[in-house]
Amino acid sequence: GNSVTQMEGPVTLSEEAFLTINCTYTATGYPSLFWYVQYPGEGLQLLLKATKADDKGSNKGFEATYRKETTSFHLEKGSVQVSDSAVYFCALSPISGAGSYQLTFGKGTKLSVIP
Amino acid sequence: NAGVTQTPKFQVLKTGQSMTLQCAQDMNHNSMYWYRQDPGMGLRLIYYSASEGTTDKGEVPNGYNVSRLNKREFSLRLESAAPSQTSVYFCASSGDSGNSNQPQHFGDGTRLSIL
Repeated sequence: GNSVTQMEGPVTLSEEAFLTINCTYTATGYPSLFWYVQYPGEGLQLLLKATKADDKGSNKGFEATYRKETTSFHLEKGSVQVSDSAVYFCALSPISGAGSYQLTFGKGTKLSVIP
Repeated sequence: NAGVTQTPKFQVLKTGQSMTLQCAQDMNHNSMYWYRQDPGMGLRLIYYSASEGTTDKGEVPNGYNVSRLNKREFSLRLESAAPSQTSVYFCASSGDSGNSNQPQHFGDGTRLSIL
């Protein structure tokens, strides 16, 4: 079946540090890949997505590249801010067909950025 | 722009009580979902509705029922609550049915405790 594995947290960084959160997946074919962010007390928000191999998703200074050869979709940001403190979820949606409605999530990585 | 609205935001139940969690979306989305979020587990799909008039089981449907009341509303019912159902419940919706590129939009969650 489909699965998503992301690095376990929590991750604590100083402001302006470089961020990488690793995400690898198992799925058949070419799933769509997503990063969601959850701020304290809120629901999940889409951060970025990529729908085919070598696509780069980007938003708010965050980037992730869909790497089919390594089945990875690592999240990066060059300079984090305190406001980036949140839980980040990697997720995949399979290609159309049975189960295509079902997002499969990683367990989440909590990021804390200190001034 | 409300997006996905869940009620209530918090609830405490006793074991054996019943309860319905309400969800409504104003984005004219076809598909709606119910997830539960538990520490260290990510989000797990309980039930989903690909379109008005249809519902299907997700990964963890036992102990729950759902109703797609109309295109806007999708409710989740606990008939006889158990402590194992203590969790944060999220409702989500998405656009084109079966299109894996479409992101899901989440409500702010219902925090449910069962004593």
